[in-house]
Amino acid sequence: SQTIHQWPATLVQPVGSPLSLECTVEGTSNPNLYWYRQAAGRGLQLLFYSVGIGQISSEVPQNLSASRPQDRQFILSSKKLLLSDSGFYLCAWSVSGGQPQHFGDGTRLSIL
Amino acid sequence: KNEVEQSPQNLTAQEGEFITINCSYSVGISALHWLQQHPGGGIVSLFMLSSGKKKHGRLIATINIQEKHSSLHITASHPRDSAVYICAVRSYSGGGADGLTFGKGTHLIIQP
Repeated sequence: SQTIHQWPATLVQPVGSPLSLECTVEGTSNPNLYWYRQAAGRGLQLLFYSVGIGQISSEVPQNLSASRPQDRQFILSSKKLLLSDSGFYLCAWSVSGGQPQHFGDGTRLSIL
Repeated sequence: KNEVEQSPQNLTAQEGEFITINCSYSVGISALHWLQQHPGGGIVSLFMLSSGKKKHGRLIATINIQEKHSSLHITASHPRDSAVYICAVRSYSGGGADGLTFGKGTHLIIQP
């Protein structure tokens, strides 16, 4: 069966520090991969999606970047975190267009 | 861009009550998802529908394409149903690789 792993579950980082959140999927090949952010009091917002290795599309301009070095690995990064980067980050995958998306357990990121 | 509105934002009910959560959207869609987010943050996909009605246990989801409206019903509600319920839509024109547009969620509390 397919599973999605996302870590860490919680993270507290100072302003200006770097960030790396990792997401891996097991049990499927060539998934579509997604990074979402849920800010306090707001709905989920799509940040990045990827349809294949090295293929990243960004939905909103921001301080973050994403990479897909392997088929089932999706990484969210920042060189210098801002206070506004605080939030709940969710990784998700789907098999193909229109199919239900499966979500990881999320990472709660607090910037001090 | 599709605008997704959910109502109510917050709902507190007694165990056993019939619950209805509403979702409306502004632009025609190819699919609508209902998601459940538990206090820890993890998200589970409940339904994906593009027409009619779907039922799973005590949960029922309906969609009216002409009126651009969907409802999620919970029969015989139970405290374990307490969660945030999120409506998300996939528009025909927006979001590559089936990126979704999310409502802000309905925070449901079922009291024993």
